[in-house]
Amino acid sequence: DTAVSQTPKYLVTQMGNDKSIKCEQNLGHDTMYWYKQDSKKFLKIMFSYNNKELIINETVPNRFSPKSPDKAHLNLHINSLELGDSAVYFCASSQGGWGPVYEQYFGPGTRLTVT
Amino acid sequence: AQSVAQPEDQVNVAEGNPLTVKCTYSVSGNPYLFWYVQYPNRGLQFLLKYITGDNLVKGSYGFEAEFNKSQTSFHLKKPSALVSDSALYFCAVSDGSSNTGKLIFGQGTTLQVKP
Repeated sequence: DTAVSQTPKYLVTQMGNDKSIKCEQNLGHDTMYWYKQDSKKFLKIMFSYNNKELIINETVPNRFSPKSPDKAHLNLHINSLELGDSAVYFCASSQGGWGPVYEQYFGPGTRLTVT
Repeated sequence: AQSVAQPEDQVNVAEGNPLTVKCTYSVSGNPYLFWYVQYPNRGLQFLLKYITGDNLVKGSYGFEAEFNKSQTSFHLKKPSALVSDSALYFCAVSDGSSNTGKLIFGQGTTLQVKP
């Protein structure tokens, strides 16, 4: 009965490769997010989708491309991986439509290591 | 621009003593404030939020927070700390004038509760 799940949990890959991280939520939420947590534990929003529509698109290299096939899924594809992409990536979801009032539910994270 | 500051990287308290984790914020509109906790190798868990109304907000696991508009603060408190409260705590703010649900996180405060 996992609320927000991510796969894989760990991802080790070489520079230059392309990889994807998948996220699914079974909470019936309308909005999903991708965050990056760096080695100092700093959390930064990357993208957000509401009902499959992109509503937040922060200053992120265009090597990162989110895709939302339906409102329960939000995937993150990363092209030409660089050492600086090494981080923990969290998916989150929140209920309702747009708006800042709803708490977000986070997945367990995907630890990406680029060598 | 929105910002959140958590002035202490680490807070140390003895089990049974009260704890406070500090947070100050800056937003242009009405602030919507959140506290999240992150246990090692886990995703963030929602603790409590302030949207409007009573300045004292009660949340999960016996935590509470007090919204102080004049001091632009939202400190997290607990009357009696437990060893199991040891974790990384994040304060976050969303600007009420924006409808995207975008959260800005503080840098996090590590709470260490010693027996």
